[in-house]
Amino acid sequence: EAGVTQFPSHSVIEKGQTVTLRCDPISGHDNLYWYRRVMGKEIKFLLHFVKESKQDESGMPNNRFLAERTGGTYSTLKVQPAELEDSGVYFCASSPWVRGTEAFFGQGTRLTVV
Amino acid sequence: GDSVTQMEGPVTLSEEAFLTINCTYTATGYPSLFWYVQYPGEGLQLLLKATKADDKGSNKGFEATYRKETTSFHLEKGSVQVSDSAVYFCALSKAVNGANSKLTFGKGITLSVRP
Repeated sequence: EAGVTQFPSHSVIEKGQTVTLRCDPISGHDNLYWYRRVMGKEIKFLLHFVKESKQDESGMPNNRFLAERTGGTYSTLKVQPAELEDSGVYFCASSPWVRGTEAFFGQGTRLTVV
Repeated sequence: GDSVTQMEGPVTLSEEAFLTINCTYTATGYPSLFWYVQYPGEGLQLLLKATKADDKGSNKGFEATYRKETTSFHLEKGSVQVSDSAVYFCALSKAVNGANSKLTFGKGITLSVRP
């Protein structure tokens, strides 16, 4: 069974540009999460989808970030325009609907804004 | 809000040494507690978990006990190996409306084990 897949693995963009990160969860997982780790700090929650609906977006830092989950399958996280402080590793995770089950993480996308 | 505090790192140990990584939490209600590990070049993997007080999670020789009285979930291993070199994250989660909810992580600690 394929795991959680994230694209790209690395991205280097200039300040002011737009970047779109993609996450393909494990097939059949209703829950999809986005997290971010800024260098040396905690992994912080950004957003939680249940199928195609946003369940909790309390961690989204500002309106430069837009997340979508088309048809309840893959998800994209767009940053527009990117700022220097957006640099970090963006993780995606998915889990089944059943309470208490493990969240499976992707390898992350390392975003560097220069 | 909820939070997780891990001991400061990095930690460097010799092979076969005893490992303890401290983790304490602040949360209302009854969170589930987790240790995740990130090996070099890989994503986060669940190492072990405990869902209620006094539960002990264990995997790959690692253990952690959910201590509600001290709000702690310290990770231990009796004899570390070079292959245990990784970043370790303590985390908590609370169900919301009976469903899975977000994880709250600590800062992570890098463990290096030398031969």
